[in-house]
Amino acid sequence: GAGVSQSPSNKVTEKGKDVELRCDPISGHTALYWYRQSLGQGLEFLIYFQGNSAPDKSGLPSDRFSAERTGGSVSTLTIQRTQQEDSAVYLCASSLNLNRYEQYFGPGTRLTVT
Amino acid sequence: QKEVEQNSGPLSVPEGAIASLNCTYSDRGSQSFFWYRQYSGKSPELIMSIYSNGDKEDGRFTAQLNKASQYVSLLIRDSQPSDSATYLCGQGAGGTSYGKLTFGQGTILTVHP
Repeated sequence: GAGVSQSPSNKVTEKGKDVELRCDPISGHTALYWYRQSLGQGLEFLIYFQGNSAPDKSGLPSDRFSAERTGGSVSTLTIQRTQQEDSAVYLCASSLNLNRYEQYFGPGTRLTVT
Repeated sequence: QKEVEQNSGPLSVPEGAIASLNCTYSDRGSQSFFWYRQYSGKSPELIMSIYSNGDKEDGRFTAQLNKASQYVSLLIRDSQPSDSATYLCGQGAGGTSYGKLTFGQGTILTVHP
């Protein structure tokens, strides 16, 4: 079946602009996660959703970052007033539910802020 | 700070050998551990999950969990050049943040012919 999809695959933006990253989870997966991976760095947790609810937003780096999920499916991660340090690969993952931890990652969106 | 630590490598093994990847963790509250493989320029791919003490085998891969010593390992038997990748150890959070995975920095594995 189809895996997690993300769009765009690459995004180049100017410092100060807003960007929206999209994630479409595996069909039937109720839990969705956002991570980011900077060059040479490990995976950093940002936020997760169970259904449309985000119980833990502690990983969002600043108030410029926000995320939402509608219809228990597609999620968007929005970064306002982008900074160069926001440059990274943003990865989305989904799992069947929060009790099944096996998370499956999408291909990621590579964000470059110039 | 709840941490997951991996030997960063790089680890180099000859084709056909056993590759041993190790991971230690500080949070005793979590009961779930995962190994992901990440090829250069690609996203992480789940290869093993383990929830109980002991060994879990899947093909050429064996995950080992020792909760008393707080380590988890991954053995790759009959290593192939196609196994060359970065291996990430992930720990599921316990308590109210149980949706979150905390990852180590990854171990780079190179299997040479």
